[in-house]
Amino acid sequence: DGGITQSPKYLFRKEGQNVTLSCEQNLNHDAMYWYRQDPGQGLRLIYYSQIVNDFQKGDIAEGYSVSREKKESFPLTVTSAQKNPTAFYLCASSQLNTEAFFGQGTRLTVV
Amino acid sequence: QKEVEQNSGPLSVPEGAIASLNCTYSDRVSQSFFWYRQYSGKSPELIMSIYSNGDKEDGRFTAQLNKASQYVSLLIRDSQPSDSATYLCAVYAGNNRKLIWGLGTSLAVNP
Repeated sequence: DGGITQSPKYLFRKEGQNVTLSCEQNLNHDAMYWYRQDPGQGLRLIYYSQIVNDFQKGDIAEGYSVSREKKESFPLTVTSAQKNPTAFYLCASSQLNTEAFFGQGTRLTVV
Repeated sequence: QKEVEQNSGPLSVPEGAIASLNCTYSDRVSQSFFWYRQYSGKSPELIMSIYSNGDKEDGRFTAQLNKASQYVSLLIRDSQPSDSATYLCAVYAGNNRKLIWGLGTSLAVNP
């Protein structure tokens, strides 16, 4: 099946810990995105990548890092510098200027 | 002015009625427009994409685009309780062709 796979579905982070969220797509899409969504809020762009080995900061990149070493993979690291990381994280992919498709999301909680 | 604006709602309609959702955007050169549905706790799913002025129909859904007035709307005919969700409008905009999201309109369809 073609699609976008995010893992894990639920993730718990201790204070001061870095964690990495996985996002893999087999749709052969060039562009990939990471969004953060807080309860009752809209989507906020963290990072996006339109081509392998290149990515741009979104609106709320502080405390996050990404890599795009392969076309199908766009992992997101939530670093200890992100002081309020509890949120729903969504990964999406698209061909440029066409519809984006989302993974199932990762719910991150600080414990 | 926000780049993509939607009424937050909630919009409440009786079962069987037509639900009308509106979205305005600020970038006059935008070419690609999308409607997504998001159930609580789930990731957004694509309902409609529209690229040309006029109407596009798919089942009970009709997207309407008016580039001169910079708005795109979604009509849901014969609304069902299962249509109760948040509807997100998304537009490609800017020189970097970034996907811009509205904050969403909450729709409640009452049996």
